[in-house]
Amino acid sequence: GAVVSQHPSWVICKSGTSVKIECRSLDFQATTMFWYRQFPKQSLMLMATSNEGSKATYEQGVEKDKFLINHASLTLSTLTVTSAHPEDSSFYICSAPRDLATSTDTQYFGPGTRLTVL
Amino acid sequence: SQQGEEDPQALSIQEGENATMNCSYKTSINNLQWYRQNSGRGLVHLILIRSNEREKHSGRLRVTLDTSKKSSSLLITASRAADTASYFCATDSGTYKYIFGTGTRLKVLA
Repeated sequence: GAVVSQHPSWVICKSGTSVKIECRSLDFQATTMFWYRQFPKQSLMLMATSNEGSKATYEQGVEKDKFLINHASLTLSTLTVTSAHPEDSSFYICSAPRDLATSTDTQYFGPGTRLTVL
Repeated sequence: SQQGEEDPQALSIQEGENATMNCSYKTSINNLQWYRQNSGRGLVHLILIRSNEREKHSGRLRVTLDTSKKSSSLLITASRAADTASYFCATDSGTYKYIFGTGTRLKVLA
C-alpha cells in the first residue's frame, strides 16, 4: 500500500534555530501534500497546502515566513520551522492524497515529527 | 473555528462493552473519515464513509452518517484494552483539506 514517510521522527533544538522536516511519498507521486500541527492533547490543525511547482497556500493564522514549505519534487515536501521557539513545540504531520483526479481514494498520513524547542 | 466537534471528549469503559463517539461538522462534505491515534503516535485510518452512504461496517467498527444533521457516529463493539486511544473524525469537502474533530479519548479498562 501507499506509504508516506517523515524525517526526522523527532527533533530537539535550541530556541532560535531552524528545523527542517521532510515528507516523502514512497510509492506514488503527490503533486499536493498537506501539513498539520497537533499540540498535546489537541486535535490536528491544517497549516498549509504544499503544491509541487508553485507556492504553498497557508491557512489563516499560519505565518508563511515562519513555516517555509518547499515542494521540491513529486515525492518530497519540506517544512522548515524558522527561528523556532518553545511555543512551536508540537507534533507535525504531513499527508498526501494518492490520486487528486478522483475523490475515491483516501489520504495517506505520515507518522509525524515531534519537535521540541528548548 | 472550522474544527468539528466530537463528544464525548473522554470515555472510559470496561473491556467487552461498546463505545460510541459522535462527530458533528459544519459544512457540506464529500466524505468523512475516522482515525485512531495512540498516544504520541501517528494516525491510523479506520474507515471512510462517503456523503451518499449512511452506514458502513468494518470488523468491530460501525460508522453512521447523517448529512441532514451534519453528524456521524463511530461504534466500537466488544471493546478491548488495545482499543485505548484517541479517535478523530475528519471531513473532506472534496479538496483533501481535512478538517479534524476535537477528538474523543477512549480508555478501555481490562
